[in-house]
Amino acid sequence: GAVVSQHPSRVICKSGTSVKIECRSLDFQATTMFWYRQFPKQSLMLMATSNEGSKATYEQGVEKDKFLINHASLTLSTLTVTSAHPEDSSFYICSARVVDHSYEQYFGPGTRLTVT
Amino acid sequence: AQKVTQAQTEISVVEKEDVTLDCVYETRDTTYYLFWYKQPPSGELVFLIRRNSFDEQNEISGRYSWNFQKSTSSFNFTITASQVVDSAVYFCALRLTGAGSYQLTFGKGTKLSVIP
Repeated sequence: GAVVSQHPSRVICKSGTSVKIECRSLDFQATTMFWYRQFPKQSLMLMATSNEGSKATYEQGVEKDKFLINHASLTLSTLTVTSAHPEDSSFYICSARVVDHSYEQYFGPGTRLTVT
Repeated sequence: AQKVTQAQTEISVVEKEDVTLDCVYETRDTTYYLFWYKQPPSGELVFLIRRNSFDEQNEISGRYSWNFQKSTSSFNFTITASQVVDSAVYFCALRLTGAGSYQLTFGKGTKLSVIP
């Protein structure tokens, strides 16, 4: 149980285009999902906390208009990188929190974004 | 604010050697969880262990063991008889307990290379 998927696993897009990354909790409901960004040889940095049915909470320094987050259902959150630039190239990882008292997070396999 | 420090950036060991990965944390809260995750080259985060701050018993799971010392705010991870498959980046993380306290604070990670 507690499986989180991400799609796509890898994506290459041209500068100026937008790309959407999906995060799904496959066998549990998640009122809260998290989006992390990881640069090469760096740690995971929390970008935003996504709550089902409400606006996401962004960490300091993360541009809301550039990284659009939608959490329309208890099993799906999406991250859209708008007008992507090469510096947005990174590994994006989502996690989902189970709807119980444990507050445990389960991580997706990550999406590697390359902007050319 | 919480902080997790993994002072070892990279470690190389020869196969079958034992290796200890250090983790030191800072928090003003008295209750919290500590985690270790493994990130192989594929990128997916693999959960290894969760330890409650109330439980200072050391834990052993196969070749893995963890030493939690509250007095020194450390949660070190030892791999016995290392294998090539252990090569990965290992992250230590902390999360506070209680309602709403579900953000993970990650250390910068330690890259372990096990040489055949």
